[in-house]
Amino acid sequence: KQEVTQIPAALSVPEGENLVLNCSFTDSAIYNLQWFRQDPGKGLTSLLLIQSSQREQTSGRLNASLDKSSGRSTLYIAASQPGDSATYLCAPQVWNNAGNMLTFGGGTRLMVKP
Amino acid sequence: GAGVSQTPSNKVTEKGKYVELRCDPISGHTALYWYRQSLGQGPEFLIYFQGTGAADDSGLPNDRFFAVRPEGSVSTLKIQRTERGDSAVYLCASIGNTGELFFGEGSRLTVL
Repeated sequence: KQEVTQIPAALSVPEGENLVLNCSFTDSAIYNLQWFRQDPGKGLTSLLLIQSSQREQTSGRLNASLDKSSGRSTLYIAASQPGDSATYLCAPQVWNNAGNMLTFGGGTRLMVKP
Repeated sequence: GAGVSQTPSNKVTEKGKYVELRCDPISGHTALYWYRQSLGQGPEFLIYFQGTGAADDSGLPNDRFFAVRPEGSVSTLKIQRTERGDSAVYLCASIGNTGELFFGEGSRLTVL
């Protein structure tokens, strides 16, 4: 059974800092990995999708890397802003007999202070 | 539709009552997922549909929970004899051709 761990569980930083959020998973036979953002009381918004053949993906100030063999992914946020405050979730996907299965970590709750 | 739509957004019910939660996925997406999220935790898998059939229902916690997708589009999650421990946000997602999941805003269920 896939287990996903996100470190740190919570993070509070001043505006402008560069941040690193970590995700580790136990089953490295993944199809892809997706990072999500969740604002309080809201659903999940997809940020980045990294295919298993890729090592990283970039979108604006966000960069996600994937080291499949070691079971790790990192989300890098450059020049953080108060609007980045949210919970960030990673979800590796595996193919099983049923199809495409995502397992979520517990998330990193980020607070960026002005 | 443009995105995944879930109704109701909030549902308050009494212990022992029956509840239905609806999900309308993105048009053309054949795969649909239900997840449950408790406060401060990541979403937990409940059930996955490929077309009309439940391809994997291993996440349903017990036989009070059931889900259907009769025409391969809209899905309904049904909870019988609700208990206080069922209180959570129920999230629905559909998946695109690249494997990217798109989530709805969720249905917040409160069982009193």
